Amino acid sequence: SQKIEQNSEALNIQEGKTATLTCNYTNYSPAYLQWYRQDPGRGPVFLLLIRENEKEKRKERLKVTFDTTLKQSLFHITASQPADSATYLCALGSGGYQKVTFGTGTKLQVIP
Amino acid sequence: NAGVTQTPKFQVLKTGQSMTLQCAQDMNHEYMSWYRQDPGMGLRLIHYSVGAGITDQGEVPNGYNVSRSTTEDFPLRLLSAAPSQTSVYFCASRIPSSDTQYFGPGTRLTVL
Repeated sequence: SQKIEQNSEALNIQEGKTATLTCNYTNYSPAYLQWYRQDPGRGPVFLLLIRENEKEKRKERLKVTFDTTLKQSLFHITASQPADSATYLCALGSGGYQKVTFGTGTKLQVIP
Repeated sequence: NAGVTQTPKFQVLKTGQSMTLQCAQDMNHEYMSWYRQDPGMGLRLIHYSVGAGITDQGEVPNGYNVSRSTTEDFPLRLLSAAPSQTSVYFCASRIPSSDTQYFGPGTRLTVL
C-alpha cells in the first residue's frame, strides 16, 4: 500500500540555520508533491508544489527538491526564524480529483 | 474573502447522537472535500464533491454523509456518532485547474 514517511520526531534548530525536512514515499508514483504548514489549532496552509518533472522549486526562503528515483522530497527553510516553528506536512498527488495522500507531518522548532 | 469557514469550532457528542458539521467557502471553488486528522496519522479524505449535486466517497466514508446543494456549502453529517469518530475535521476547497487546496480552521469533535 502507499506509504508516506515524515520524521515523526520534532526537529529543533537554531535561529538563522537552515532547516531540512524529509518526505519519503513508497508504492507511489506521484504526479506532484506539495508542502503545507500547519500551526496548532489551525488548518494546513499551502506552501509549495513541485511536479514529477521538476527537480527543484524555490519561494523566498523556501526550497523544495523532488527525487523520483530516491522517492524523496527535501524541504528547506533558509535563515530560519522562530516564526517558522510549526508542523510541516507533505502531500502526494497522482492526478485526478483528490487523489492526494498526506504524511503525518514533522514539527519544527526554531530556537532563538 | 472569508475563505473557508467551519462551524462549530468545538463539539462534544454522546455516542449515538447525530450532528452536522458546517463548511462554507466564498471563493466560488467547485471542488470541496472533508478530511479528518488523527494523532499519528495523516489527513484522511472522508468525502469530496466536484460541484453542486455531485459527491463521492473518499478513503474513510463510513458513518458520514454529505450533500452539495450549492457551490458554497458542503455539510458533513454524522448519523450516529461513535467514539472512533473523535477527531479534528477539516474542510478544504480548490478550483479544478489548481492542485492547491485551501483549508478551513477545523472542527474538534469529541464523542463520549
